Amino acid sequence: AQTVTQSQPEMSVQEAETVTLSCTYDTSESNYYLFWYKQPPSRQMILVIRQEAYKQQNATENRFSVNFQKAAKSFSLKISDSQLGDTAMYFCAFMKHQKGGSEKLVFGKGTKLTVNP
Amino acid sequence: KAGVTQTPRYLIKTRGQQVTLSCSPISGHRSVSWYQQTPGQGLQFLFEYFSETQRNKGNFPGRFSGRQFSNSRSEMNVSTLELGDSALYLCASSMDSRQGTQYFGPGTRLLVL
Repeated sequence: AQTVTQSQPEMSVQEAETVTLSCTYDTSESNYYLFWYKQPPSRQMILVIRQEAYKQQNATENRFSVNFQKAAKSFSLKISDSQLGDTAMYFCAFMKHQKGGSEKLVFGKGTKLTVNP
Repeated sequence: KAGVTQTPRYLIKTRGQQVTLSCSPISGHRSVSWYQQTPGQGLQFLFEYFSETQRNKGNFPGRFSGRQFSNSRSEMNVSTLELGDSALYLCASSMDSRQGTQYFGPGTRLLVL
C-alpha cells in the first residue's frame, strides 16, 4: 500500500517570502501522479499543482513549483512571494497510474501554512 | 464551467438515523469519488463511480453506500449513523479517475449527535 508523509504539521512564513513544504511517499509503482491540494478555512479543496512521475521536469504553476526527486521519493512544494491568501492546509497526494479500473488519491496528513502580514 | 456542487452543505443527525448526500460533478466528468475527512483519520477514500458502476471501494463498513445516475450525479448514503461518522464528506469529479486529476466540491459537513 502507498503511504504519504508530510513531516511538518505547521509552518509559518512572512508575506512576500518563500516557503517550502515537504512530502515523501512510499510506493513500489513506477508510474504514478503526485498532487498538492490546498484547503483554505472555507474547506474547499483546491488543486495547486500536479506532477506525472514519468516527467523529469518539475511542474510549475505561477508562484507554485515542485521539486520532484523520484529516486528519493520526495515531492516538495515551493511557494514564492507568499500571499495572505495562501494561508491554508496543504495536502500532498499520490495516485497510481492504472490502465484498467480506477485509482484513489492517497493523502498525507497535511501541513497547516500561515502567512503572516 | 460550473464546479463540483454538493448538497446539503451542513447536516445534523442523531445516532441511528440515515443520511443521503448528493454530488453533481463538473459537466462532462463521468467519474465521481467520495472521501471522508476527519481530524483523526485525515482524508480517506470511500468509493468511486464511473458510468453508474462502482469501480473502487475503500475500507468502510457496509453502512456506507453510494450510487451514480445516468447524468453522472452521485449520492452517498450512510445508514444507522454513529457518532464517529461526524466528518466532512468530500466529493471529487474527473473525466476519468485513471487520468489522475480530481476536482473537489465544497463538501458536506455532517454532525451526528
